[in-house]
Amino acid sequence: QVTLKESGPVLVKPTETLTLTCSVSGFSLSDRVGVSWIRQPPGKALEWLAHIFSNDAKSHSTSLKGRLTISKDTSKSQVVLTMTNMDPVDTSTYYCARIYNGYGYGMDVWGQGTTVTVSS
Amino acid sequence: QSVLTQPPSVSGAPGQRVTISCTGSSSDIGAGHDVHWYQQLPGTAPKLLIYGNYYRPSGVPDRFSGSKSGTSASLTISGLQAEDEADYYCQSFDGSLSLSYAFATGTKVTVL
Repeated sequence: QVTLKESGPVLVKPTETLTLTCSVSGFSLSDRVGVSWIRQPPGKALEWLAHIFSNDAKSHSTSLKGRLTISKDTSKSQVVLTMTNMDPVDTSTYYCARIYNGYGYGMDVWGQGTTVTVSS
Repeated sequence: QSVLTQPPSVSGAPGQRVTISCTGSSSDIGAGHDVHWYQQLPGTAPKLLIYGNYYRPSGVPDRFSGSKSGTSASLTISGLQAEDEADYYCQSFDGSLSLSYAFATGTKVTVL
């Protein structure tokens, strides 16, 4: 069974750096797959943040102006997202999802999400 | 950067057919990139509903269908059911930015 689970702090202060971890099981990060990070502010739409593929190809949202870094540790089955200079507008539920080439690179399995609040 | 647009809301009575449009541009949908659709039930994570413009993952009822033409795509729910009340999002690639994904703003489907 393929699962993804997000973990990280519930509360961060403005200007701090957020580090989120996506732990995957049921597949390997060396398979022909990718992992995306997506966020959703309360009551608002989904926003794609970044993704990384098995060959280490990666992409980040340009709207976040260089604040994002994505990396993976295949041996630990983890994908890590860091976001610098956190602001209250970054308060969101953060999801990770598998990008599956068998589904046209759609995101076929999602984690349950982790809620992050930015407040002093 | 890619901007995909959807109507904020659509509604229909049980049994009716509703269609949600997803309008893009020549840099995303119009460039031939696939469109995927996601359903988000209240309080839950999104679920892949349609991939590759037309195809349903196993387990998705056949009342959900997708289409694509030019710079737009559509999701149709035929035979609307109460459990279909949810938010729906289309997603594609932003061809102007290497490997970037883009979500539309989402559509709330209300079953009257």
